Amino acid sequence: QSALTQPPSASGSPGQSLTISCTGTSRDVGIYNYVSWYQHHPGRAPKLIIYEVSKRPSGVPDRFSGSKTGNTASLTVSGLQAEDEADYYCSLYAGSNNLVFGGGTKVTVL
Amino acid sequence: QLQLQESGPGLVKPSETLSLTCTVSGGSISTSTHYWGFIRQPPGKGLEWIGSIHNSGSTYFNPSLQSRIAIFVDTSKNHYSLKLTSVTAADTAVYYCATHDRRQGLFDQWGQGTLATVSS
Repeated sequence: QSALTQPPSASGSPGQSLTISCTGTSRDVGIYNYVSWYQHHPGRAPKLIIYEVSKRPSGVPDRFSGSKTGNTASLTVSGLQAEDEADYYCSLYAGSNNLVFGGGTKVTVL
Repeated sequence: QLQLQESGPGLVKPSETLSLTCTVSGGSISTSTHYWGFIRQPPGKGLEWIGSIHNSGSTYFNPSLQSRIAIFVDTSKNHYSLKLTSVTAADTAVYYCATHDRRQGLFDQWGQGTLATVSS
């Protein structure tokens, strides 16, 4: 199973919107909708912020949204805040024991 | 509120076995419908799923690691454990435990993580 491809870094100013991509192939992201996103502040426990491409767990602000087009899933953070500065990881479950993460994107709030 | 806490030796010698335990509080492993998983993050790298276990004992593993992995659950102690054999420096990582919804392929409650370093 191949890791999903994410940009290593992304940045934006407070209040702006920022989108992170997570690219797979037509054999994984292209056909499976079990895409999740995690926010990870170093030294803390990772936090699930999106599941099944676009669903938000209870308590996650609606500034976080997910989508998918073709072989690429995306996480958008609207109204960027200082506390959003963190590492973000996508993951895909493609059935059986096929579960992979992306390489992670470090988000910097300028 | 469910809480998970990893514990382990911190330092393991090459070729030996890494053993980690995840202790669960605020809920019972034996009554949960979740799987219980391990994920790791090598220094400067991304996350990697290792494997997961159900309270029934059913397990499933990352194919790239499955020849070296065993995961056990002890419902009487409300904890589950990972053993990773024949470790090398490449196994140096922060190891996390997390609840695992297998149907949706997500990890919804995580521990803080514990660093395991492989070095002589």
